[in-house]
Amino acid sequence: QKEVEQNSGPLSVPEGAIASLNCTYSDRGSQSFFWYRQYSGKSPELIMFIYSNGDKEDGRFTAQLNKASQYVSLLIRDSQPSDSATYLCAVNPPYGGATNKLIFGTGTLLAVQP
Amino acid sequence: DAGVTQSPTHLIKTRGQHVTLRCSPISGHKSVSWYQQVLGQGPQFIFQYYEKEERGRGNFPDRFSARQFPNYSSELNVNALLLGDSALYLCASSLAQGDQPQHFGDGTRLSIL
Repeated sequence: QKEVEQNSGPLSVPEGAIASLNCTYSDRGSQSFFWYRQYSGKSPELIMFIYSNGDKEDGRFTAQLNKASQYVSLLIRDSQPSDSATYLCAVNPPYGGATNKLIFGTGTLLAVQP
Repeated sequence: DAGVTQSPTHLIKTRGQHVTLRCSPISGHKSVSWYQQVLGQGPQFIFQYYEKEERGRGNFPDRFSARQFPNYSSELNVNALLLGDSALYLCASSLAQGDQPQHFGDGTRLSIL
């Protein structure tokens, strides 16, 4: 079992729709969760992070965390063609807080159709 | 404020050579981590340094080494380059270690011929 799993996609949504990106993780003790956006040929850009169960909203983005189900998701409302990118889910596993080791999924390619 | 800066942006080497990649963190950030990203995969953790000490190491051979300087900048060194070392090397900085969000630089694209 991979430590962080994402559907590779592509996930195709029409402009203006809600895009839902999902991620599961294997280490039950993980405490912090991150979503990065990566455009082709560019480096990852941090867009959301979440530490507690529930929802966290920032503009058009909402991160959702369910630690009991070991599941984290990212919702993008009013999707725009400029949101087309690979979305990487990253988890910081429990090493006693001593490291910043992020475990990444392989990413989900999102394509927003005009 | 400047983000994480990495140099060089691109590098071409041949097998067996040595390479040094450099990273300057965001001002005020004391933790630097290095990642390797090959095409189609998520970044893989190589090292983390905090306050000039190694705090974490990923599953990479001893050919990979790194250090952090008093100004918190960092170097990643790779010896005896192999074709499989061709990748995007990413540096990320954060305020401290632990659960702090990490911000990536633009990366160094390393090609091995």
